Amino acid sequence: AQSVSQHNHHVILSEAASLELGCNYSYGGTVNLFWYVQYPGQHLQLLLKYFSGDPLVKGIKGFEAEFIKSKFSFNLRKPSVQWSDTAEYFCAVNSGGGADGLTFGKGTHLIIQP
Amino acid sequence: DAGVIQSPRHEVTEMGQEVTLRCKPISGHNSLFWYRQTMMRGLELLIYFNNNVPIDDSGMPEDRFSAKMPNASFSTLKIQPSEPRDSAVYFCASRPLAGEGGEQFFGPGTRLTVL
Repeated sequence: AQSVSQHNHHVILSEAASLELGCNYSYGGTVNLFWYVQYPGQHLQLLLKYFSGDPLVKGIKGFEAEFIKSKFSFNLRKPSVQWSDTAEYFCAVNSGGGADGLTFGKGTHLIIQP
Repeated sequence: DAGVIQSPRHEVTEMGQEVTLRCKPISGHNSLFWYRQTMMRGLELLIYFNNNVPIDDSGMPEDRFSAKMPNASFSTLKIQPSEPRDSAVYFCASRPLAGEGGEQFFGPGTRLTVL
């Protein structure tokens, strides 16, 4: 069975600080990896995804993530955060075929202080 | 593009009552997923359909939960009888079967409160 671990449950940063949110997954086969964001009162939106190819993927709003297969990790990064980045961030995985449901991590609540 | 549509957005009911949540996937998407989000357990997959056929319902917590997809544009998740521990936000998501990877598009969710 797949599992996803997000190590930081709550993160508080000041504007312009750099961000890195950790995500590790457990699965023996080929995986697809995702980061979703949930802004207050809104539904989940896709930030970025990795299916194959370049392990460094770029998403919307200046976010990027790097897939490190040897570490089973897919950490999310942003060089300079903004107040509007305050949200809940979820790492998710499904199997390589892509047709399965997603297994989510517990989420990281990010608060950006102005 | 209307996105995934869910109704109702909020539902408050009393323990023992039947609850029906509804979902309309994005037109042309032939995979549909139901998820539940709680503080304790986070986001969990309940069930998903491909071409209206249930593929994996191992996440459905109990027999009180049932889901149907009578056609490509409509799905329901029913809880009968409801219990306070069913209180959660229920999300529906859809994706096309074909195409690369498994990006799913989420609806706004239904916030269910069972008193």
